[in-house]
Amino acid sequence: SQKIEQNSEALNIQEGKTATLTCNYTNYSPAYLQWYRQDPGRGPVFLLLIRENEKEKRKERLKVTFDTTLKQSLFHITASQPADSATYLCAPCIDYKLSFGAGTTVTVRA
Amino acid sequence: GAGVSQSPRYKVAKRGQDVALRCDPISGHVSLFWYQQALGQGPEFLTYFQNEAQLDKSGLPSDRFFAERPEGSVSTLKIQRTQQEDSAVYLCASSLSGTSGEETQYFGPGTRLLVL
Repeated sequence: SQKIEQNSEALNIQEGKTATLTCNYTNYSPAYLQWYRQDPGRGPVFLLLIRENEKEKRKERLKVTFDTTLKQSLFHITASQPADSATYLCAPCIDYKLSFGAGTTVTVRA
Repeated sequence: GAGVSQSPRYKVAKRGQDVALRCDPISGHVSLFWYQQALGQGPEFLTYFQNEAQLDKSGLPSDRFFAERPEGSVSTLKIQRTQQEDSAVYLCASSLSGTSGEETQYFGPGTRLLVL
């Protein structure tokens, strides 16, 4: 069956450092992969989408990579700020269907 | 413009009670999705509508779960004879056409259901 794994441990980092989150998937080949941010008590908010033929995508301080051979996506937050503290969800997608990982909680200390 | 709204935000039900959860998608969005999110987990797909047609209900956990979108806008997720394992946050999302994974899904704040 399809499986999506994100960093099992929460990430605690110092302001200004780079946070790197991992998303591994098995048993399927998504054409796209999306990343969402979720704050407590709120619904997920879309951040970035990367296609299977793209190696890397950037948006402001965010960078996503997609390695279809390794079946892995990495999500980087550079120059992190306390406002980046949240849970980050990866969601490989086939057609209309998103399959979410459990998320990685990031806390950025001032 | 308004985003996706859901009501109620919180619902406490006694085991065996029926509940109805409402979703108002973004105006003009063709596709609507329901997800279930257990504590500490990511959202899990329940069902998908394109306009009023329910095209995929493969994620509904049992026949106690029923969703409808009769006029292609507002949707209701109904859970009959609630059980404690139904306790979760129920998220609704909409997208402009939703026919491919390239589309952004816009999520509502969710309804937190607690079954006692």
